Amino acid sequence: EAQVTQNPRYLITVTGKKLTVTCSQNMNHEYMSWYRQDPGLGLRQIYYSMNVEVTDKGDVPEGYKVSRKEKRNFPLILESPSPNQTSLYFCASSLAGTPETQYFGPGTRLLVL
Amino acid sequence: DQQVKQNSPSLSVQEGRISILNCDYTNSMFDYFLWYKKYPAEGPTFLISISSIKDKNEDGRFTVFLNKSAKHLSLHIVPSQPGDSAVYFCAASEGYNNNDMRFGAGTRLTVKP
Repeated sequence: EAQVTQNPRYLITVTGKKLTVTCSQNMNHEYMSWYRQDPGLGLRQIYYSMNVEVTDKGDVPEGYKVSRKEKRNFPLILESPSPNQTSLYFCASSLAGTPETQYFGPGTRLLVL
Repeated sequence: DQQVKQNSPSLSVQEGRISILNCDYTNSMFDYFLWYKKYPAEGPTFLISISSIKDKNEDGRFTVFLNKSAKHLSLHIVPSQPGDSAVYFCAASEGYNNNDMRFGAGTRLTVKP
């Protein structure tokens, strides 16, 4: 079954405590990205990767890091989380950036106290 | 600055009737538009798309209309079914790619039996 998995699904943490949200896809997609969803703002792209070792900033990259060492994995790293990073996060993958083939993960709800 | 706006946070319609979801955009460089559907606790899934060279695209019960002069698109669902109850996101991009895709805040559709 084609899928994008994210872990954890829910996370409560405190300001400044480094965390990583993992993302993995089983479709051999070249393109992966991270979004955050906030009330009234829709989804905003944080970072994207067009292939292994190629990453680029999206619309709201401040406070986040990513890496793409393997094609299937695209972890999101918050080195020093702050309360304004409390949000619902989605990982997505697609074939070479084609919008119709974009699959989203189920989401990770993060609360930073 | 929200370049894609869905001004109706929610919409309720009776089963069998037409649902019309609206979306406005401000960036005249957008030339590719998509609608995504999202159920609770799941990621968004692609529903239908349209490029700026068309003014209408139809897929079964779903039709998207694009009015470039008004910078407005709409999604029509006919007939509406209870299983269509979800949050619908409008998205737009410059060119056929996922980079810098801008999303609206979403409209929650409820279809009553």
